[in-house]
Amino acid sequence: GAGVSQSPRYKVAKRGQDVALRCDPISGHVSLFWYQQALGQGPEFLTYFQNEAQLDKSGLPSDRFFAERPEGSVSTLKIQRTQQEDSAVYLCASGTTATDTQYFGPGTRLTVL
Amino acid sequence: AQKITQTQPGMFVQEKEAVTLDCTYDTSDQSYGLFWYKQPSSGEMIFLIYQGSYDEQNATEGRYSLNFQKARKSANLVISASQLGDSAMYFCAMRENGYSGGGADGLTFGKGTHLIIQP
Repeated sequence: GAGVSQSPRYKVAKRGQDVALRCDPISGHVSLFWYQQALGQGPEFLTYFQNEAQLDKSGLPSDRFFAERPEGSVSTLKIQRTQQEDSAVYLCASGTTATDTQYFGPGTRLTVL
Repeated sequence: AQKITQTQPGMFVQEKEAVTLDCTYDTSDQSYGLFWYKQPSSGEMIFLIYQGSYDEQNATEGRYSLNFQKARKSANLVISASQLGDSAMYFCAMRENGYSGGGADGLTFGKGTHLIIQP
């Protein structure tokens, strides 16, 4: 079946612009996670949804980062007033439950100029 | 202290040899899970293998096995009969099932090991 998909795959933004990154999880997966992966590093947890409820947002680096999953399927990660330090790959993962294996999408590479 | 430590930034291995990628972890939870992911240059994280803290036997998936030593808090990945297509970044990750700190619902990753298989 179809895996996790993310769009766009690449995004270039000027500093100060707002961006929106989309994640389509595997159908039927209750849990959805966002991670940020800086160049040469492992992914770092940003936030977690169970269905439409955002249960953990402790990893969001600032109040410029906002995530939503209004109908419990597709999720959007929004970054307002982007800064150069936001440049990274943003990975989305989904799982059948919170403790199940997480399956990752291809990521969105964000470059802020 | 780092929760996941991968001490090998890079490794070169001859094709068809076995390779062991090291991973040590730190947690005070009794219940946790350990994962290995492969990330080729295309960027996608590919799940390889999982080991639960209460599993008594080492996990195996095809050519992948996990050498789980709970007392030493290590979870090394063993790849048998390496292939050219195994060249990639490999990440060890942990999920803590208790409430020992922030981000308990997400995975904590190590910095990764860049594995290069030589013909």
